[in-house]
Amino acid sequence: AQRVTQPEKLLSVFKGAPVELKCNYSYSGSPELFWYVQYSRQRLQLLLRHISRESIKGFTADLNKGETSFHLKKPFAQEEDSAMYYCALSGNNYGGSQGNLIFGKGTKLSVKP
Amino acid sequence: ETGVTQTPRHLVMGMTNKKSLKCEQHLGHNAMYWYKQSAKKPLELMFVYSLEERVENNSVPSRFSPECPNSSHLFLHLHTLQPEDSALYLCASSQQLGQGTGANVLTFGAGSRLTVL
Repeated sequence: AQRVTQPEKLLSVFKGAPVELKCNYSYSGSPELFWYVQYSRQRLQLLLRHISRESIKGFTADLNKGETSFHLKKPFAQEEDSAMYYCALSGNNYGGSQGNLIFGKGTKLSVKP
Repeated sequence: ETGVTQTPRHLVMGMTNKKSLKCEQHLGHNAMYWYKQSAKKPLELMFVYSLEERVENNSVPSRFSPECPNSSHLFLHLHTLQPEDSALYLCASSQQLGQGTGANVLTFGAGSRLTVL
């Protein structure tokens, strides 16, 4: 079954410390992976996608097919990074249907001063 | 307001009421979605529309009835809901479905917080 697992509900780090938000997925085909973010009192929005291979707000994520992971990393966390982070997967053969973005339960990142 | 607009932002209804949630986008997107966000659960996809045609119904009970009169508007009609249906209902849109750079890049609305008494 297709599944996205974010093992940590809450991750708390100090400002300037490295941060890694874990995401593991289960999918038999070639998935597309995404990270969405929701800052306090703001809407859920796309942070980055693996096919873009870009760094957004200092965050990067590498798709590791061997480990079926797509962890989100940032070398030096900032207080403004505090938010809810959701990993999401889209499969191109998920049950033959389209438009089904599967989300993890989310990890709340808290960056302390 | 630009992007995806949802109304009302908050709704309280009894189990016998009939109400509707509205979603509007003027981004020129062709796909629209309804998601349900409950406490302690992942975002659950409810319905997907592409060019006003429903392409996905994720085993949603019939007390939820979507309507997409045109590519810019999406409704969720609610009838005889249960207290466990209380949740945040999110609308989203994307340029298209399937593959391509515009697919799966969702623009979300702020959500409609529904409480069923």
